[in-house]
Amino acid sequence: EVQLVEAGGGLVQPGRSLRLSCAASGFTFDDYAMHWVRQAPGKGLEWVSGISWNSGSIGYADSVKGRFTISRDNAKNSLYLQMNSLRAEDTALYYCAKFSGTQWLYQGGSFDIWGQGTMVTVSS
Amino acid sequence: QSVLTQPPSASGTPGQRVTISCSGSSSNIGSNTVNWYQQLPGTAPKLLIYSNNHRPSGVPDRFSGSKSGTSASLAISGLQSEDEADYYCAAWDDSSWVFGGGTKLTVL
Repeated sequence: EVQLVEAGGGLVQPGRSLRLSCAASGFTFDDYAMHWVRQAPGKGLEWVSGISWNSGSIGYADSVKGRFTISRDNAKNSLYLQMNSLRAEDTALYYCAKFSGTQWLYQGGSFDIWGQGTMVTVSS
Repeated sequence: QSVLTQPPSASGTPGQRVTISCSGSSSNIGSNTVNWYQQLPGTAPKLLIYSNNHRPSGVPDRFSGSKSGTSASLAISGLQSEDEADYYCAAWDDSSWVFGGGTKLTVL
């Protein structure tokens, strides 16, 4: 069964850091690009970051650029999101999503498998 | 304000056909394919339609997608109570992925 399981969320103070992880199973992890997508409480979906199959290409939303770092470890079938300088507006449910292609910026691709998400709350 | 524009709500009765629109621009829908996602209450999003009008395995053929110019549409025929969910369109835009604001579909 294809599965993505996120972990690492929690309550953190503004300005602090948090590292999310996503464990993948049921598919050949290093054949696909991966993404993080978030959803603030009661709001819509917002793309956060994407990484190609071999980490050779990476992209970020303007809202997180310079503060968040995406990475992957293909040997461990895992995706990560290092979040620094967190702000109240980063409060959201963070989803890990498998992409249908090898490159995160392939315009014809789609987010075809989603995890259940991990909640990040930034508050003092 | 989302880059892609969707109506915030839509509704229909069981058996009816409903459509949800998604309006964009030349930098996103106008030059790239559109995907649709369904988010049932309290669950993660699920891919519903990819590349404008293709259904992943397991998605009923009651769901269909189309695209024309800088707009796209999702149609649901034979509406069922379990279709009550939030629906999001998405597309590539210059250097990032963008979503519509979502449409809450209510089955009356």
